[in-house]
Amino acid sequence: AAGVIQSPRHLIKEKRETATLKCYPIPRHDTVYWYQQGPGQDPQFLISFYEKMQSDKGSIPDRFSAQQFSDYHSELNMSSLELGDSALYFCASSLGDSDTEAFFGQGTRLTVV
Amino acid sequence: AQKITQTQPGMFVQEKEAVTLDCTYDTSDQSYGLFWYKQPSSGEMIFLIYQGSYDEQNATEGRYSLNFQKARKSANLVISASQLGDSAMYFCAMREGSYGQNFVFGPGTRLSVLP
Repeated sequence: AAGVIQSPRHLIKEKRETATLKCYPIPRHDTVYWYQQGPGQDPQFLISFYEKMQSDKGSIPDRFSAQQFSDYHSELNMSSLELGDSALYFCASSLGDSDTEAFFGQGTRLTVV
Repeated sequence: AQKITQTQPGMFVQEKEAVTLDCTYDTSDQSYGLFWYKQPSSGEMIFLIYQGSYDEQNATEGRYSLNFQKARKSANLVISASQLGDSAMYFCAMREGSYGQNFVFGPGTRLSVLP
């Protein structure tokens, strides 16, 4: 079965550079979530989209932005990267209008040097 | 206040034995979903099991079952017949409402299965 696809899997950037992370949800899933997981921490919610509209916002820095496109894929744009942005970034997808399973991608490991 | 509490930072279990990982939650919503995820050392977040707040029966998925006690607001994960490959971090998570409401994760429990 198709799963959530994230790209790239690994990314190394220098401070003050920009990065774009991509997420392709499971087919027919209309909701996408972005999470950031620092070393040894639980995932922290950044932002979510339902039917291409932002539905909820968490602790996402102003330097980050995201959107969901007409094909339901989502991109997380990160600018002016800082060392503290080094983390595992997860995307998850689900069917937004019911309490159903939500599946995560394999994550993008971002390292800022 | 913490919405998800996992009181066991680390657990050990002997191979082939059963183990229970604790999770309690806090919500005033009537509609919510409870999830368990497994995160091995490779980093991916693997969905294990889901329990809806209106589900009357405990969820089961293979060797995983969720002991859902609504009045006590607990959603413990039971793994039967532990295997070495079960060694990982386990996260309990909750989603309140629907339509893109985010998941809140607990701090996790690191399970180590001993041969």
